[in-house]
Amino acid sequence: EVQLLESGGGLVQPGGSLRLSCAASGFTFSSYGMTWVRQAPGKGLEWVSNIIDSGASTYYADSVRGRFTISRDNSRNTLYLQMSRLRAEDTAVYYCAKDLEGTSSSDYWGRGTLVTVSS
Amino acid sequence: QLVLTQSPSASASLGASVRLTCTLSSGHNTYTIAWHQQRPQKGPRYLMKLNSDGGHSKGDGIPDRFSGSSSGAERYLTISSLQSEDEADYYCQTWGSGIRVFGGGTKLTVL
Repeated sequence: EVQLLESGGGLVQPGGSLRLSCAASGFTFSSYGMTWVRQAPGKGLEWVSNIIDSGASTYYADSVRGRFTISRDNSRNTLYLQMSRLRAEDTAVYYCAKDLEGTSSSDYWGRGTLVTVSS
Repeated sequence: QLVLTQSPSASASLGASVRLTCTLSSGHNTYTIAWHQQRPQKGPRYLMKLNSDGGHSKGDGIPDRFSGSSSGAERYLTISSLQSEDEADYYCQTWGSGIRVFGGGTKLTVL
């Protein structure tokens, strides 16, 4: 059974940093791209970033490029999102998702972790 | 610009069928999309991948009541024999040129 478990969310002040983690199990982690998607309170889904299986290529939404960094440790089956220079508009539930093979969509999602940026 | 447009809301009666629409922006009518379901206070759930010719492949455990079809720039999700558990937000998603895009979502109410 595929499981994705996000952690690391919490309350952070504007301008601060936070690192999210996503522990993956139930599939060969190193064979799949992975994605972060967020959802602001009461809003829709927003793609944040994704990384290919090897970690060699990464992609970012314009709203986070230069502030967020996606990475992965295939030896630990873990995906990361390092967030810096956080803004109030980054407040959201952040979901980790496994990419569907051969596409740029996601076929399994985690339950999410809440990030609140506020003073 | 790659954009997906969805109606904000839809409703249908218990046991009936409903068709949700996702419209691709001009020039993108051959794109494949995916449909995702998000029940209240839950994470999203992948439903299916849907091609421009209407071919679709569903995710694990997705009931036969869920099906997809396409016409031009429109991608449809049809849910038959509606159940109370189908009340949820439904999002379409596509991708291209290194970006991924979600539609605004349709909130489905089961009456």
